[in-house]
Amino acid sequence: AQSVAQPEDQVNVAEGNPLTVKCTYSVSGNPYLFWYVQYPNRGLQFLLKYITGDNLVKGSYGFEAEFNKSQTSFHLKKPSALVSDSALYFCAVSPLPQAGTALIFGKGTTLSVSS
Amino acid sequence: EAGVAQSPRYKIIEKRQSVAFWCNPISGHATLYWYQQILGQGPKLLIQFQNNGVVDDSQLPKDRFSAERLKGVDSTLKIQPAKLEDSAVYLCASSVTDRAIYEQYFGPGTRLTVT
Repeated sequence: AQSVAQPEDQVNVAEGNPLTVKCTYSVSGNPYLFWYVQYPNRGLQFLLKYITGDNLVKGSYGFEAEFNKSQTSFHLKKPSALVSDSALYFCAVSPLPQAGTALIFGKGTTLSVSS
Repeated sequence: EAGVAQSPRYKIIEKRQSVAFWCNPISGHATLYWYQQILGQGPKLLIQFQNNGVVDDSQLPKDRFSAERLKGVDSTLKIQPAKLEDSAVYLCASSVTDRAIYEQYFGPGTRLTVT
């Protein structure tokens, strides 16, 4: 079955430290991969996506993600965390991009950045 | 540009009652999605429209859920009769077209509580 796994329910980091939010996927073929962020009482906001090409993708608010095909991972990273980065982060995959299907989401990881 | 609009933002109903949610996508977006987000889980697709036609409704509980997108713009999602397990946030999203290379834009969601 096609799926996305976010192994950590919560990630805690201190402001100014680097952060990593993990994501692995299980789909056939060459999927498109996405990261979204959700702030309280707001909808999901797009951060970045991997379609093809360079394995390191840069997105909004200083976030980046590294695609690793051999490990089927797409971890979200930021060199220096801000308190305002505290939110719920979702990894998602489009398993059949050629068919334009909707996204399959992980269960989410809560990022907490302390000052 | 204006984002995806949804109403109401909150709704509380008793089980076996009916409820309807409304979504207005970003102007010009041909593809519209309805997702269900249960607490502690990632969003799950309920139905996908391309213009006013249904592309994917395989996960829509058709015995109680219905959706329409008349004229290929606004959409309405209805639940009748509601069950306790329908308590969730219902997210509407839109994208330029149904090709996965185009990211989805999400509305703020409607939080439904069924008592």
